[in-house]
Amino acid sequence: NAGVTQTPKFQVLKTGQSMTLQCAQDMNHEYMSWYRQDPGMGLRLIHYSVGAGITDQGEVPNGYNVSRSTTEDFPLRLLSAAPSQTSVYFCASSSIGGPNYGYTFGSGTRLTVV
Amino acid sequence: GIQVEQSPPDLILQEGANSTLRCNFSDSVNNLQWFHQNPWGQLINLFYIPSGTKQNGRLSATTVATERYSLLYISSSQTTDSGVYFCAVEGSNFGNEKLTFGTGTRLTIIP
Repeated sequence: NAGVTQTPKFQVLKTGQSMTLQCAQDMNHEYMSWYRQDPGMGLRLIHYSVGAGITDQGEVPNGYNVSRSTTEDFPLRLLSAAPSQTSVYFCASSSIGGPNYGYTFGSGTRLTVV
Repeated sequence: GIQVEQSPPDLILQEGANSTLRCNFSDSVNNLQWFHQNPWGQLINLFYIPSGTKQNGRLSATTVATERYSLLYISSSQTTDSGVYFCAVEGSNFGNEKLTFGTGTRLTIIP
């Protein structure tokens, strides 16, 4: 059981480049979300999804797009990378309610924009 | 949105010592989790504890939902306990449903 898998683990981009961070889960969780973690801060929510075809914005959505075409996958797209998007990105999933409720996080993607 | 405050921000202890980490939150919650972020950056789920008390080995947690706080206890600390401990909550009221993190407690265990 792989849990939540994020790729890549590290990435360096030039300002203005675009890229997609991949996230996949194999727990059949309805809820998936993306967070960013900046030094000295907790995690902040970027976008989330409560099921295939449904996405919504979190606390810091600007500069990011998401889509949810399947239950398993929730990619995060940076349209035109900026140095302010240098951060560590975490994907998470959870079931909605139920006895095994709780969030599981991927191992993170460390992104540097130069 | 819901506010989550953790204390202390930093804690340095000798190996073998006990510690108590606190999490205060500003509204009623459906979900409260404690995470440990190890020095490699991985977030490890320690407890799902919106109310009550749970124990797992040397770690235990208590949430008093009516008073809006949770405590994480670490006994007989080991160097592998070092890292940042996060409390995260999902509020039960409209607008507070998303998982919101505190800023963490950085724990350093000295051999």
